[in-house]
Amino acid sequence: KQEVTQIPAALSVPEGENLVLNCSFTDSAIYNLQWFRQDPGKGLTSLLLIQSSQREQTSGRLNASLDKSSGRSTLYIAASQPGDSATYLCAALGGSYIPTFGRGTSLIVHP
Amino acid sequence: EPEVTQTPSHQVTQMGQEVILRCVPISNHLYFYWYRQILGQKVEFLVSFYNNEISEKSEIFDDQFSVERPDGSNFTLKIRSTKLEDSAMYFCASSANSGSSTDTQYFGPGTRLTVL
Repeated sequence: KQEVTQIPAALSVPEGENLVLNCSFTDSAIYNLQWFRQDPGKGLTSLLLIQSSQREQTSGRLNASLDKSSGRSTLYIAASQPGDSATYLCAALGGSYIPTFGRGTSLIVHP
Repeated sequence: EPEVTQTPSHQVTQMGQEVILRCVPISNHLYFYWYRQILGQKVEFLVSFYNNEISEKSEIFDDQFSVERPDGSNFTLKIRSTKLEDSAMYFCASSANSGSSTDTQYFGPGTRLTVL
C-alpha cells in the first residue's frame, strides 16, 4: 500500500527565503506526482504535475522535481512571499489511478 | 475561469440521518471524484465516476455511501445513515480525462459535514 510522507510538517520563514518542501513515497510505481496548495477552509489548487517519465516541472517561482527510483519529490519555492502561506500537499497517483496524499507542509511566510 | 462548485458549504446533521452533498463539475469534464478530509488528517480518495458508473472506490466507500449524476450537471454523494466519524470536509473534483498521467483534477471548495 502506498504511503506518502511530507517533511517538514510545518515551516515558518521570513519573506524572501528560498524554500524546499519534501515528499517521499514508498511505491515507485506511480503515474505522476502532483503538488497542491490548500488555503485554510478551502479546496485544493493544483500547482504542478510531474509525469512519471519527467524529472521536473516549473511554474513561475515554483519548481518541482521527481526522483522515482528513490521515491522522492521536492517542491522548491523561490523568493517566498506572505501570499505563499498555505498548506502544500503532494499526491502520488498509483495503480487504478487512485491518488495517495501526504499530510502536507503548513507554510507561514512572515513579512 | 470555470470552477467546480459545491453546496452546501456547511451541513450539520444528526447521527443516523441521510445527507446529500452536491457538486457541479466543470461543464466539459467527464470524470468526477469525491474525497474526504477529516480534520487534521490526510485527504482520502473515496470514489471516481465515469460514464454513469463507479470507476474506482476505496475501502472507505462502503454500502452507506452512494454517488449519482442525476442530470447533466450535478454530481452527488449520499451518505445513508451518518455516523459521528463521517464528520469531515468532503471535496468534489473533476477532470477532463482519466487514465492519463497528464490529467489534472480540479477541486471544489468543499462541504464541511458535522454529524452530531
